[in-house]
Amino acid sequence: TQLLEQSPQFLSIQEGENLTVYCNSSSVFSSLQWYRQEPGEGPVLLVTVVTGGEVKKLKRLTFQFGDARKDSSLHITAAQPGDTGLYLCAADGGSQGNLIFGKGTKLSVKP
Amino acid sequence: KAGVTQTPRYLIKTRGQQVTLSCSPISGHRSVSWYQQTPGQGLQFLFEYFSETQRNKGNFPGRFSGRQFSNSRSEMNVSTLELGDSALYLCASSLYGTGRVETQYFGPGTRLLVL
Repeated sequence: TQLLEQSPQFLSIQEGENLTVYCNSSSVFSSLQWYRQEPGEGPVLLVTVVTGGEVKKLKRLTFQFGDARKDSSLHITAAQPGDTGLYLCAADGGSQGNLIFGKGTKLSVKP
Repeated sequence: KAGVTQTPRYLIKTRGQQVTLSCSPISGHRSVSWYQQTPGQGLQFLFEYFSETQRNKGNFPGRFSGRQFSNSRSEMNVSTLELGDSALYLCASSLYGTGRVETQYFGPGTRLLVL
């Protein structure tokens, strides 16, 4: 069974701090996605990484796909209250229309 | 264009009842996937429909079923509800549902509470 393990499970920080969340697996994936989910809403795709070692930047967010394509990290610089939410990593489950999700990191950024 | 819509947004049922949830995908999208989200298990894949056919199914009991109509709208049904079925049910649509690099767009979900 393919599993994605995310850490930490919860993170509470002050505005302006930096943070990194991780997504690890023992399986190799052809691609990996990061989503953010806000209360009362569905997940919204932030980025898709497909190449081992790939680094993508989205404003203050930096995403990295591990060289072996088994792990990924999300780094947020100078976090803001608007970054608060549940961050989920997801990978191709090997069948059409099927994504495997980690359980997420719940981030709270206090002003 | 309009996003994925799900109805109803909230639902309260009692054990033993059945429930039907509806999902309207983004216009032009032919693949609809359903997920169950709970605090303990996170997001788990239920099934995926493409052109009115179920192409893939997750590891859920037969009480969970679905269908897709010719206009790509999809419904999922849960029969003989159990307390553990309380969850946020999310649907996601994409053009072809190829999974690997295609973006899935999620609806806001239906929050089901079983008493």
